[in-house]
Amino acid sequence: DIQMTQFPSSVSASVGDRVTITCRAGQGISSRLAWYQQKPGKAPNLLIYAASSLQSGVPSRFSGSGSGTDFTLTISSLQPEDFAIYYCQQANSFPFTFGGGTKVEIK
Amino acid sequence: EVQLVESGGGLVQPGGSLRLSCAASGFTFSNYWMSWVRQAPGKGLEWVANINQGASEKHYVDSVKGRFTISRDDAQNSLYLQMNSLRAEDTAVYYCARPGVSTSWGVDCWGQGTLVTVSS
Repeated sequence: DIQMTQFPSSVSASVGDRVTITCRAGQGISSRLAWYQQKPGKAPNLLIYAASSLQSGVPSRFSGSGSGTDFTLTISSLQPEDFAIYYCQQANSFPFTFGGGTKVEIK
Repeated sequence: EVQLVESGGGLVQPGGSLRLSCAASGFTFSNYWMSWVRQAPGKGLEWVANINQGASEKHYVDSVKGRFTISRDDAQNSLYLQMNSLRAEDTAVYYCARPGVSTSWGVDCWGQGTLVTVSS
């Protein structure tokens, strides 16, 4: 199975800050990576697919980049509704696997 | 409206069995791979199983192989997860999930989740 490592595990930030989350795959996965946002008690919500494609309806302050083994999710200007947990997921080979999550907290 | 609705969760003793169901609506169910994803209390997400269109291909995470079986009924627009020999570590919210073709396997539709608790 492909191991996905996310860091940091948590980040404290203020509204308006730029936040970057990193995800590293244990082997090359081309651009087959998705990012999700999850709020307490809710199902995850797809933000980015194919490493850099913005899912319909997701604000443009979210962006993704990377290929191979190293990927990033960037929130350009953090908004109050963005405080949540973010997960990466590889879609290169079965079983698909998720990163451990990054909690974005209010500073 | 695209919708997935899970049912069948509950409290079960270790070694017991449970069958989860997922009712799909708002899209052509038979055209999609479908999946189960779980989340233990306070923990991260774990992909459990996938099934392709026509049910000829199935994949499982190692921890459930031989114990869980994913299946589908396209006539009923339903996805299932038969869980046998349940363990305490299977306690989780189980989500029905639709990996999208247009989203390169990103899950663009999730159910609300159903809680499975394995405890004596």
